[in-house]
Amino acid sequence: KQEVTQIPAALSVPEGENLVLNCSFTDSAIYNLQWFRQDPGKGLTSLLLIQSSQREQTSGRLNASLDKSSGRSTLYIAASQPGDSATYLCAVTMGAQKLVFGQGTRLTINP
Amino acid sequence: GAGVSQSPSNKVTEKGKDVELRCDPISGHTALYWYRQRLGQGLEFLIYFQGNSAPDKSGLPSDRFSAERTGESVSTLTIQRTQQEDSAVYLCASSSGTGLFVQPQHFGDGTRLSIL
Repeated sequence: KQEVTQIPAALSVPEGENLVLNCSFTDSAIYNLQWFRQDPGKGLTSLLLIQSSQREQTSGRLNASLDKSSGRSTLYIAASQPGDSATYLCAVTMGAQKLVFGQGTRLTINP
Repeated sequence: GAGVSQSPSNKVTEKGKDVELRCDPISGHTALYWYRQRLGQGLEFLIYFQGNSAPDKSGLPSDRFSAERTGESVSTLTIQRTQQEDSAVYLCASSSGTGLFVQPQHFGDGTRLSIL
């Protein structure tokens, strides 16, 4: 059974810092890995999707890496801003395209 | 519509009642998914539709839960004889289906279900 773990569970940093969120998964037979952002009372917004054959994806200040063999992914956020405050979820796509989610990292950026 | 639409946004009902939750996916998306997010827990997969068929229902927690999709569009998730443990946010997502690469899933804002 696939298990996805995110560390840390919560993180609070001052504005402007660069930071890294970690995700690990137990079964390397994945189709892809996605990073989502969830704001309170809202659904999920897809940030980055890395196909299983790829190593990384970048969008603006965000960079996500994938090491499928070791079952790890990182989300790097550069020059953090208060608007980046949210819960960040990592999810892997298994057979039949269902997503298996981690518990999330609750990120707070302090002005 | 521009995104995935879910209704109602909030639903409060008494234990034992039946509820129906609706999802309108992005137009043209052939794949549709239901997830559940209980307080303090991660998102759990419930069911996946490809077109109007559900090849994976493995996440439905009991036979009180059912879902259907018609016209390769709208989907309804029905919970019969609701229990307090059914209280959660129910999220729907859609994607343009599979090709060489699995496409990203786009989520609605969810229905917050509270069972009294």
